[in-house]
Amino acid sequence: DAGITQSPRHKVTETGTPVTLRCHQTENHRYMYWYRQDPGHGLRLIHYSYGVKDTDKGEVSDGYSVSRSKTEDFLLTLESATSSQTSVYFCAISESRGVNTEAFFGQGTRLTVV
Amino acid sequence: AQSVAQPEDQVNVAEGNPLTVKCTYSVSGNPYLFWYVQYPNRGLQFLLKYITGDNLVKGSYGFEAEFNKSQTSFHLKKPSALVSDSALYFCAVRNQAGTALIFGKGTTLSVSS
Repeated sequence: DAGITQSPRHKVTETGTPVTLRCHQTENHRYMYWYRQDPGHGLRLIHYSYGVKDTDKGEVSDGYSVSRSKTEDFLLTLESATSSQTSVYFCAISESRGVNTEAFFGQGTRLTVV
Repeated sequence: AQSVAQPEDQVNVAEGNPLTVKCTYSVSGNPYLFWYVQYPNRGLQFLLKYITGDNLVKGSYGFEAEFNKSQTSFHLKKPSALVSDSALYFCAVRNQAGTALIFGKGTTLSVSS
């Protein structure tokens, strides 16, 4: 896997608690993404970042916020976790926004909200 | 809006036989298409991409994909399947703004020995 580290890899949390997932990259890529993977839905984009402090919403952004204070780190926060946010979360990076540019994915974080 | 569809939830093939995993797309403008593979408990790994040019694209692990503009398809193929090819396969397309990939729902490939 490209130099992408997600932490934690597994987390169980209670409904209503805040949760922060971290993505760290060593590739110095400009673009970073958070996706969630659910059976029957494939991967859906939550938020993405096109530079430090530059972020935008994806398809399923409600209930999530992100921050990027350094090129290498992209944080995903669930302000008040709900059971519908139980999912596997993937961070991805890409060098540019060019249409011919593939993205590289981290190992994923399995989040369970009870 | 850009989208891709993977019409089969599961594909079963015997080892040594050719395999095809289907993908159709709907885009405005030129399509920029990708295939990824996911092994159990792992992230997605890039296999190949179509940008422009030859309709047959070669990728990693002996996979190739055939782009067909008239049928709006981008099927993933391999001449001889291996048991180790068993995994979840995703087709994806770049969104119009070029800012992200839009994924299909995935197809589980099962190769039996």
